[in-house]
Amino acid sequence: QVQLVESGGGVVQPGRSLRLSCAASGFTFSIYAMHWVRQAPGKGLEWVAVVPNDGTNKYYGDSVKGRFTISRDNSKSTLFLQMNSLRTEDTAVYYCARYWGSSSANDYWGQGTLVTVSS
Amino acid sequence: DIQMTQSPSSLSASVGDRVTITCRASQSIRMYLNWYQQKPGEAPNLLIYGASSLQSGVPSRFSGSGSGTDFTLTINTLQPEDFATYYCQQTYSDVVTFGGGTKVEIK
Repeated sequence: QVQLVESGGGVVQPGRSLRLSCAASGFTFSIYAMHWVRQAPGKGLEWVAVVPNDGTNKYYGDSVKGRFTISRDNSKSTLFLQMNSLRTEDTAVYYCARYWGSSSANDYWGQGTLVTVSS
Repeated sequence: DIQMTQSPSSLSASVGDRVTITCRASQSIRMYLNWYQQKPGEAPNLLIYGASSLQSGVPSRFSGSGSGTDFTLTINTLQPEDFATYYCQQTYSDVVTFGGGTKVEIK
């Protein structure tokens, strides 16, 4: 069955960096685009970034553009989110989600990893 | 970026009620509109894709309609397990956006 498992969250000081990972299994990772979506405590969903299956054209939400980098390693079925210059407002649960092209929707989601940016 | 506006932000309803949630896009997104359900402490779950197609395994009491800029999620005969927060999402643009969410609470 499809599984997405995020890791790498934790507590980090403002201005520092953190790298999240999302290990995928149960499907052919290399043929799917992948997204990161986050949710601040008590708030709604905020889309973060997308990487296509071949890792070429990436897109980002305005609030993270220039600070976050999405990437993937198809040989290891793993998605990454490099987060630099972290701000307190980046505190959130970060979800990775598979993008099903036929539906143009995120059909599978991980359980999320919590990132807390605090001094 | 395309802005997605959901209404209402919250509503109270009883088991058995029919509930309607609306989502409006700031520009035409054709039918690239999805609906998700999220319960506390859980990841979102895809309910409806392409504005009106029911995701596999989702009960038929959920339905979606609309195109262009105006969309609707309808829950017929609300069940206890349907009390949750619902989000719309547009995937027309390479930069994806979500609506602010609608919390469905028990009256």
